[in-house]
Amino acid sequence: GENVEQHPSTLSVQEGDSAVIKCTYSDSASNYFPWYKQELGKRPQLIIDIRSNVGEKKDQRIAVTLNKTAKHFSLHITETQPEDSAVYFCAAANQAGTALIFGKGTTLSVSS
Amino acid sequence: KAGVTQTPRYLIKTRGQQVTLSCSPISGHRSVSWYQQTPGQGLQFLFEYFSETQRNKGNFPGRFSGRQFSNSRSEMNVSTLELGDSALYLCASSGTGLRGYTFGSGTRLTVV
Repeated sequence: GENVEQHPSTLSVQEGDSAVIKCTYSDSASNYFPWYKQELGKRPQLIIDIRSNVGEKKDQRIAVTLNKTAKHFSLHITETQPEDSAVYFCAAANQAGTALIFGKGTTLSVSS
Repeated sequence: KAGVTQTPRYLIKTRGQQVTLSCSPISGHRSVSWYQQTPGQGLQFLFEYFSETQRNKGNFPGRFSGRQFSNSRSEMNVSTLELGDSALYLCASSGTGLRGYTFGSGTRLTVV
């Protein structure tokens, strides 16, 4: 089945810096790659997603890139702010396209 | 539009007991997935239900089971509880093609 690896597990940046989180997946048939943000004590919430027919997608300070050949995708956050501090999860759709398989998460800390 | 509702929010059980958790999906969503979240392990996929049938299953022992009703509400059951089953259990519902994949707030299970 699908397996998703996520790096780094923790990331500390200064306010205003950029942050990059990388994920790799194992199933070449996967075609949907969302990113979720989970603040302490809250549910994971979708922040951006990309489907396999697109190489890059951007939404204000957040962007996701996808390299299907290498089977990896990345989350880029520019001009980080303290409120970006949270755990970020990448995910890939399973082979059947009916459920999401998640990476183990990255704890992002943005210090002012 | 109501979100995904999980009940109860908190549970404390004794080793060896069994527990049932409930998840009501967003209206119109027919797929419900369950995850176990523990520190350092991220969101581990348990199983996914659609139209009262289990379509996908993760790598959890048979003590973990679930079902889905005709109104798409889902329950998961854990029998013979172990200390290691202490976790946040999240469910997510979605429409066709993983559209609108949304998490509930979770049930925090503590096994003592």
